[in-house]
Amino acid sequence: RKEVEQDPGPFNVPEGATVAFNCTYSNSASQSFFWYRQDCRKEPKLLMSVYSSGNEDGRFTAQLNRASQYISLLIRDSKLSDSATYLCVVKYQGGKLIFGQGTELSVKP
Amino acid sequence: EPEVTQTPSHQVTQMGQEVILRCVPISNHLYFYWYRQILGQKVEFLVSFYNNEISEKSEIFDDQFSVERPDGSNFTLKIRSTKLEDSAMYFCASSPVGGTGYNEQFFGPGTRLTVL
Repeated sequence: RKEVEQDPGPFNVPEGATVAFNCTYSNSASQSFFWYRQDCRKEPKLLMSVYSSGNEDGRFTAQLNRASQYISLLIRDSKLSDSATYLCVVKYQGGKLIFGQGTELSVKP
Repeated sequence: EPEVTQTPSHQVTQMGQEVILRCVPISNHLYFYWYRQILGQKVEFLVSFYNNEISEKSEIFDDQFSVERPDGSNFTLKIRSTKLEDSAMYFCASSPVGGTGYNEQFFGPGTRLTVL
């Protein structure tokens, strides 16, 4: 089983749509959880951390279910600038980040 | 805003040659990392480094790889004898705090390594 598994994508949505990404992780000892964004051939950039209580940052909402080892990201009112690959990331003991394969999002006018 | 820098942005080398990829982490950061991303694949952890020694390394980080912090600012990744399969984007990252918390790792723009 992959350490971090994401929806394969790509997701093609119109502007203004709501889109949800899902992710599961296999290591129950995983410590911290994140969503990163990666634009084509660029470095990953932190989008938001994901806390057990759930958290929101503007149009973005992240949820974590430790019992199910499941992480989600919801994007409301999609913008053209949201087009990117979204990476589900888990941090292990010692600090190393384990990345999912990524889900590509394309927002169309 | 401080940022991680990497040089060169693109390195082309012949198989069997040695390459050194350079990174300048953010100045007050203490924890340093290398990751790589083969084209079309996921980002993979290579090595973490703290207090002038390797903290953890992955299976990918074999004897052909080494890291060094030769002075107070640079952090380098050396590949002694490059293979075709080493072709990838190599990202350096740094963070002020290590361990398991929600402290962010800041990534550099990457060095694209092409082995011919």
